[in-house]
Amino acid sequence: AQKITQTQPGMFVQEKEAVTLDCTYDTSDQSYGLFWYKQPSSGEMIFLIYQGSYDEQNATEGRYSLNFQKARKSANLVISASQLGDSAMYFCAMRPYTGGFKTIFGAGTRLFVKA
Amino acid sequence: GAGVSQSPSNKVTEKGKDVELRCDPISGHTALYWYRQRLGQGLEFLIYFQGNSAPDKSGLPSDRFSAERTGESVSTLTIQRTQQEDSAVYLCASSLASFGGEQFFGPGTRLTVL
Repeated sequence: AQKITQTQPGMFVQEKEAVTLDCTYDTSDQSYGLFWYKQPSSGEMIFLIYQGSYDEQNATEGRYSLNFQKARKSANLVISASQLGDSAMYFCAMRPYTGGFKTIFGAGTRLFVKA
Repeated sequence: GAGVSQSPSNKVTEKGKDVELRCDPISGHTALYWYRQRLGQGLEFLIYFQGNSAPDKSGLPSDRFSAERTGESVSTLTIQRTQQEDSAVYLCASSLASFGGEQFFGPGTRLTVL
């Protein structure tokens, strides 16, 4: 079965510190894509970062990096130098290659950044 | 338009009535997705369309739910005989026909079934 697991329903981090949001996935596909999205309290969904299963380098986008460990089937999001505006829900998602464009989302982690 | 648009933004209906939710994707995006997000929960995949291929309807929760898409443009999600458990935000997204292509989301339609 294709599944995304985010085990941290809520996380707190001090402003300016780094935080890691966990994501594990389950798929029998060898080829797949992994995504992270941010959803602020306004409700919009904002794309953050993408990692392909055959990418050798971990993806980075500004303060966001994806710690991809293929053997462990984990794709943790690392946010460096947290800002108050980072407080939001964060969703990990997977697109298995054999699923076409079907994308499966995890339950999300709510991040609270403290001043 | 510049982004994905959805209408209406809010819909309140009575149990048993039918509702139609509309999504206008970004021009040129051949892939279109519908998700349901219940309060405080993650996104639940409902259906996606890719070009002229048959849609993937595997996420539709019951036969009361259906969706159509006209070519590579507007899509309509229809819920017949609405139930209170259908209350949620319905999100539409579109993307390029690229495996690694990010999805661009609309603002959602908040459906409340009384």
